[in-house]
Amino acid sequence: DAGVTQSPTHLIKTRGQQVTLRCSPKSGHDTVSWYQQALGQGPQFIFQYYEEEERQRGNFPDRFSGHQFPNYSSELNVNALLLGDSALYLCASSYQETQYFGPGTRLLVL
Amino acid sequence: EDQVTQSPEALRLQEGESSSLNCSYTVSGLRGLFWYRQDPGKGPEFLFTLYSAGEEKEKERLKATLTKKESFLHITAPKPEDSATYLCAVQPRGGATNKLIFGTGTLLAVQP
Repeated sequence: DAGVTQSPTHLIKTRGQQVTLRCSPKSGHDTVSWYQQALGQGPQFIFQYYEEEERQRGNFPDRFSGHQFPNYSSELNVNALLLGDSALYLCASSYQETQYFGPGTRLLVL
Repeated sequence: EDQVTQSPEALRLQEGESSSLNCSYTVSGLRGLFWYRQDPGKGPEFLFTLYSAGEEKEKERLKATLTKKESFLHITAPKPEDSATYLCAVQPRGGATNKLIFGTGTLLAVQP
């Protein structure tokens, strides 16, 4: 059973650009959550998708948006990138309470 | 406001030297408390879920316990491969999602 997968593994962008990150959940999981983890910090909740709809959003601006597809995979889009958006972006999938994380996408904004 | 505080920030142990990591939390209602292990540059790996005060769970050299205000992760006779950052997270009851609120983690280094 493949776990949660994310692509790409690493990404370098410049300020003002846009980025799309992708996530495929574990088999049997229907819910996808996205988190941002800055260096030395714990993951911060961005939003969660279920049945192709955003169910809840953390304290992140509208520059962060997402989508869930009928096969439960998900994308995270970030527009107008800022230097402070540099972080590890984690996707987690779940069926009930427990969330299982992917390896993350390391985004560097120059 | 829901909050999680972990201590110590960093811990260095000799191989075989047992110790405990602390996770204090404030939450309006607790659905569950989670422990994860994270290796450098990787995603968190699920370890345990605890749901109610008094509950304990064990896995190899790790044991997690829960009270109404805090959780402990006890590490017995650690080995160098136990070196990692250990993250604690709470899942508030209610709301539309099963979102997690994380602490900043404890960086554990076990020296041979």
